[in-house]
Amino acid sequence: NAGVTQTPKFQVLKTGQSMTLQCAQDMNHEYMSWYRQDPGMGLRLIHYSVGAGITDQGEVPNGYNVSRSTTEDFPLRLLSAAPSQTSVYFCASSYSGRDGYTFGSGTRLTVV
Amino acid sequence: GDSVTQMEGPVTLSEEAFLTINCTYTATGYPSLFWYVQYPGEGLQLLLKATKADDKGSNKGFEATYRKETTSFHLEKGSVQVSDSAVYFCAPFNTDKLIFGTGTRLQVFP
Repeated sequence: NAGVTQTPKFQVLKTGQSMTLQCAQDMNHEYMSWYRQDPGMGLRLIHYSVGAGITDQGEVPNGYNVSRSTTEDFPLRLLSAAPSQTSVYFCASSYSGRDGYTFGSGTRLTVV
Repeated sequence: GDSVTQMEGPVTLSEEAFLTINCTYTATGYPSLFWYVQYPGEGLQLLLKATKADDKGSNKGFEATYRKETTSFHLEKGSVQVSDSAVYFCAPFNTDKLIFGTGTRLQVFP
């Protein structure tokens, strides 16, 4: 099992560009979430999903879109990158939520 | 909405000292509670969990007890090692969401 795979690991964007952060898991987990980690602020929930076709907003959803067309994949789209979106992004998945989440290794994004 | 509060860091200890990192939460209903650990330059790993009142989660010498009456889930370890230096996150899971505190950095010196 590969676990939770995030790509790319590093990315530099110019302000206004768009991109998609990829997240895939091979554990047949229903629950998937995206977080951003900024210094001194812990992890903040961006969007989450409880199954294919179902997504919902977290604490900081503005500027980001998600979709969940399959159980395995949960991509995060930045529509028009801003310097405030410079952060480390983590994807995580879980079978039921209450059993605990498995995290990917993260994507470090810099917007200039 | 739900929230979680952790003690401010960094916590600085000598090897073999006793560790406590405080965590309190506010949540509707009955959350499951987790501690995650992040070693330098890495992602997050599940350290321990508890799913109901008075449950004690434990792993690698760390322990935490689900105290519903005080809405707390404090992390403890009897004798820390240099290798325990990391950032520790308390995280309740409730209403389909896992949310995090700001994290507490632990630094252990020989």
